[in-house]
Amino acid sequence: GAVVSQHPSWVICKSGTSVKIECRSLDFQATTMFWYRQFPKQSLMLMATSNEGSKATYEQGVEKDKFLINHASLTLSTLTVTSAHPEDSSFYICSAVRGYEQYFGPGTRLTVT
Amino acid sequence: LAKTTQPISMDSYEGQEVNITCSHNNIATNDYITWYQQFPSQGPRFIIQGYKTKVTNEVASLFIPADRKSSTLSLPRVSLSDTAVYYCLVGDFHGSSNTGKLIFGQGTTLQVKP
Repeated sequence: GAVVSQHPSWVICKSGTSVKIECRSLDFQATTMFWYRQFPKQSLMLMATSNEGSKATYEQGVEKDKFLINHASLTLSTLTVTSAHPEDSSFYICSAVRGYEQYFGPGTRLTVT
Repeated sequence: LAKTTQPISMDSYEGQEVNITCSHNNIATNDYITWYQQFPSQGPRFIIQGYKTKVTNEVASLFIPADRKSSTLSLPRVSLSDTAVYYCLVGDFHGSSNTGKLIFGQGTTLQVKP
């Protein structure tokens, strides 16, 4: 099956700093990628849709200036959490669409201290 | 996007067959039904997808009645390693107007006991 990777797998940062998370489709090109956030014991919450070559589409309630998404190539989308705060600590998961299926990355654990 | 309803949790024993039912009363004509499995601190993994009747692969079967307002994921002879959260999702994954956007419901936490 298709492979989607994320980097880093976990990161700890101090409050007020910015963190960039990468999502790569390793063996296919993905025009569309998605970013999700998941808090402990909860379901995945869709944050935004990342489209190659165009601006991301954010879900209601997600601050686009805080969660910057860039989809500069057909194999890479990045999510930057700007001025991170402890409440941004979460598990961030990306996915990439290939044909009729959506493939998920392994996730990135962000801890803001 | 159709909303889905699943039991929050289920318990089973090793070797048993497990059936998880999902309700999706507002499913649209072009919608497909997809099930994902998620282990703690991992991304969801695709299990199976179907449109109607029955679909079977090497790990599961998916039963969809004629009205398509529900679906049942069947896991044969579960093992301890099948303990996970199972999500049922409904969407038009094949339409040109759809980008594959998925809205996750609560999911069903399956606990397999020895």
